[in-house]
Amino acid sequence: DAKTTQPTSMDCAEGRAANLPCNHSTISGNEYVYWYRQIHSQGPQYIIHGLKNNETNEMASLIITEDRKSSTLILPHATLRDTAVYYCIVRVAGQSSYKLIFGSGTRLLVRP
Amino acid sequence: GAVVSQHPSWVICKSGTSVKIECRSLDFQATTMFWYRQFPKQSLMLMATSNEGSKATYEQGVEKDKFLINHASLTLSTLTVTSAHPEDSSFYICSASWGRLFGQETQYFGPGTRLLVL
Repeated sequence: DAKTTQPTSMDCAEGRAANLPCNHSTISGNEYVYWYRQIHSQGPQYIIHGLKNNETNEMASLIITEDRKSSTLILPHATLRDTAVYYCIVRVAGQSSYKLIFGSGTRLLVRP
Repeated sequence: GAVVSQHPSWVICKSGTSVKIECRSLDFQATTMFWYRQFPKQSLMLMATSNEGSKATYEQGVEKDKFLINHASLTLSTLTVTSAHPEDSSFYICSASWGRLFGQETQYFGPGTRLLVL
């Protein structure tokens, strides 16, 4: 699976949009971009994933560049409860047994 | 939907004893379950992948005789830490997925089990 690069930490003000970048310049054509987050002392929570089109769900939006070498996770109105470590992972989809490899992630701090 | 539970949420045991951790998919049948370990201030490390009815596949460096994994049904996988020692103290997390279609192959995680070996 392709390697990802994320900033170590970021912060944003409560109520503002949080934009978390991820570089995955070696991504293959059949690899999806997945985002998870881990709130302190909990299991990771699935947020969103996509292949090449932008995706949106009730939690976030995922913007993938046309060349697919980078993506941005957008939390439109960050709250204090969004403070967590956010992981960007690229992985081949289409098979439930394909594994996820977690990197260091981005530690997002949402300020009051 | 896609809820995964773990039991117990935390356990303290004496060195040398064995500890069993259960992982259950509550509202779907999980064809594949994964076990991870996370040490303080570190990321999740995959330990093994298990498919229902077959032997688990362990990651390099993970002792299969020490970390016994059983995935006997589509809703239950267990991890047994045999002869636990203080260095096995960690946060153990399972995840589950169930299919091949878009979304079905997504892994959903349990809340984790914190193990402390004295």
